[in-house]
Amino acid sequence: DTEVTQTPKHLVMGMTNKKSLKCEQHMGHRAMYWYKQKAKKPPELMFVYSYEKLSINESVPSRFSPECPNSSLLNLHLHALQPEDSALYLCASSQGPGRQSSGNTIYFGEGSWLTVV
Amino acid sequence: DAKTTQPNSMESNEEEPVHLPCNHSTISGTDYIHWYRQLPSQGPEYVIHGLTSNVNNRMASLAIAEDRKSSTLILHRATLRDAAVYYCILRGYGGATNKLIFGTGTLLAVQP
Repeated sequence: DTEVTQTPKHLVMGMTNKKSLKCEQHMGHRAMYWYKQKAKKPPELMFVYSYEKLSINESVPSRFSPECPNSSLLNLHLHALQPEDSALYLCASSQGPGRQSSGNTIYFGEGSWLTVV
Repeated sequence: DAKTTQPNSMESNEEEPVHLPCNHSTISGTDYIHWYRQLPSQGPEYVIHGLTSNVNNRMASLAIAEDRKSSTLILHRATLRDAAVYYCILRGYGGATNKLIFGTGTLLAVQP
């Protein structure tokens, strides 16, 4: 099983709503990631979790709040978003971290399409 | 993170080989060269990676220059399903960090 599953596939939310994106993997991976991708742009790294602890936050606004409740699950809580936050949100996972982790494959989900109205 | 430079777009004909170049002149000795591709409306997909030697797998081949300052992804027989954005990414190790930072990529169009 080499799948990263993301739900929901599509989400429309108002600027005052609170919603969450969910990500699940059962490959035993200990590194998990959130990326944001705008149309016709490459994915941008937002957060990295290693062994369920936040290890990288790429200066993401606090209206995005990640959570890793266990080694298989990664959530992204959304609150008070702006229309410019509309994008494809990608979850990914990989083995590691560690000194050999740079050779590891990162597996991506199909993403959650978020529209903020 | 070391940078990569790729052409913005390339075209190929179906059933013909495709060579996608990538320059990475500031690569460090411990950086792996990764290639991912992203088909329309999908998440990125791993293609291949290597460190120093050329690599082959069922999807593609990776040719790495001797000085490691450039590499080429080779699709041996392009199909319409290979139309995607191809990203060449350098990934170093750094203890707890585990980043994969995407550049702008090459948009490959495959003509029937």
